[in-house]
Amino acid sequence: DAKTTQPNSMESNEEEPVHLPCNHSTISGTDYIHWYRQLPSQGPEYVIHGLTSNVNNRMASLAIAEDRKSSTLILHRATLRDAAVYYCILRPGGATNKLIFGTGTLLAVQP
Amino acid sequence: GAGVSQTPSNKVTEKGKYVELRCDPISGHTALYWYRQSLGQGPEFLIYFQGTGAADDSGLPNDRFFAVRPEGSVSTLKIQRTERGDSAVYLCASSLTAGLGIEQFFGPGTRLTVL
Repeated sequence: DAKTTQPNSMESNEEEPVHLPCNHSTISGTDYIHWYRQLPSQGPEYVIHGLTSNVNNRMASLAIAEDRKSSTLILHRATLRDAAVYYCILRPGGATNKLIFGTGTLLAVQP
Repeated sequence: GAGVSQTPSNKVTEKGKYVELRCDPISGHTALYWYRQSLGQGPEFLIYFQGTGAADDSGLPNDRFFAVRPEGSVSTLKIQRTERGDSAVYLCASSLTAGLGIEQFFGPGTRLTVL
């Protein structure tokens, strides 16, 4: 399974934008890039996913590098509720449907 | 609407005992997944069901672990002869169908402690 690399932790101030990076240099052409987050004492929650083009939804934006070897999850205005572990996951283009989680980035949001 | 529910929320058992963990997926979701999460780690895939059948059980650590989904809805994860190393949060997720772009919805998990 293709591997992702994320910083262990990041800090942000409330109401400021947050850019969470993810490196996936061994990504293959059919791998989708998924982001999930896990708030304290909860199960993971889907955030966004993409293949090649940048994506926007109500929660966040996903910027994918042209060579697809890296991506950035963008939270436009961080709130205290956004404090969580953020996981960048590659989903292979084959038959598997499992998510392979790494250790993620722990985001702290300061008021 | 109701999300994925898991029971019990906490389970404490003794080494060597048998436990069952239950997952109620979102109604109408055909795909169901089990993961487990140890402290400080990301969730680790165990098994995936499409309907009643286990489509991928490659994550089950050994033959003490077994899961069923007899009617294509509720699933039970069964652990025999529990060991202290089985202590973890067991997470269940479901999705409308299986597919690369399909969102998985997770339950709150069952925290299993083996003494």
